[in-house]
Amino acid sequence: DGGITQSPKYLFRKEGQNVTLSCEQNLNHDAMYWYRQDPGQGLRLIYYSQIVNDFQKGDIAEGYSVSREKKESFPLTVTSAQKNPTAFYLCASSQGAIGGGYEQYFGPGTRLTVT
Amino acid sequence: EDQVTQSPEALRLQEGESSSLNCSYTVSGLRGLFWYRQDPGKGPEFLFTLYSAGEEKEKERLKATLTKKESFLHITAPKPEDSATYLCAVGTGGGNKLTFGTGTQLKVEL
Repeated sequence: DGGITQSPKYLFRKEGQNVTLSCEQNLNHDAMYWYRQDPGQGLRLIYYSQIVNDFQKGDIAEGYSVSREKKESFPLTVTSAQKNPTAFYLCASSQGAIGGGYEQYFGPGTRLTVT
Repeated sequence: EDQVTQSPEALRLQEGESSSLNCSYTVSGLRGLFWYRQDPGKGPEFLFTLYSAGEEKEKERLKATLTKKESFLHITAPKPEDSATYLCAVGTGGGNKLTFGTGTQLKVEL
């Protein structure tokens, strides 16, 4: 079955540590995205990538970094510079701007808790 | 700046009691309006895309409609399994970026 996987489902870290969240898709989608979801707020875009080896900052990129070395993978690193890292993180993918297919499909999410 | 506002924030219905959720938007060039369903602790599930005013789409008990300023998600004769948070998002500009509303939390009771 095609889909998006995120691991782990729950992640706990101490303040001051960097942590990397995994996102893999087998939908053959060109574009991938990272969002953050907090209670009472809409999904906020962290980073997105429309093609391998290229990515752009979203609305709240400070304290985060990404890489896109393979079409299938788009890992997100939450660095110690992120002031409020505790949140639910969602990865998504879409076919890409060229040729249509704007719908984004989401993974199951990773809940990160930093203490 | 693109804005999406959903109302109500929360809605409680009895099983079989039809209702509508609202999504109003302000964008500079709509490239699609999207509805998602999200269950607690899970990722959003794609429901519909609407591209132009007057367009309608249906799936089981759900029907989504679109005007130039807002979209409605109509729920006909809901069942308890329809309980979830429904998210609306708009696509604008390039890069497939979406702007999300904060959602409507729907609870359907027996």
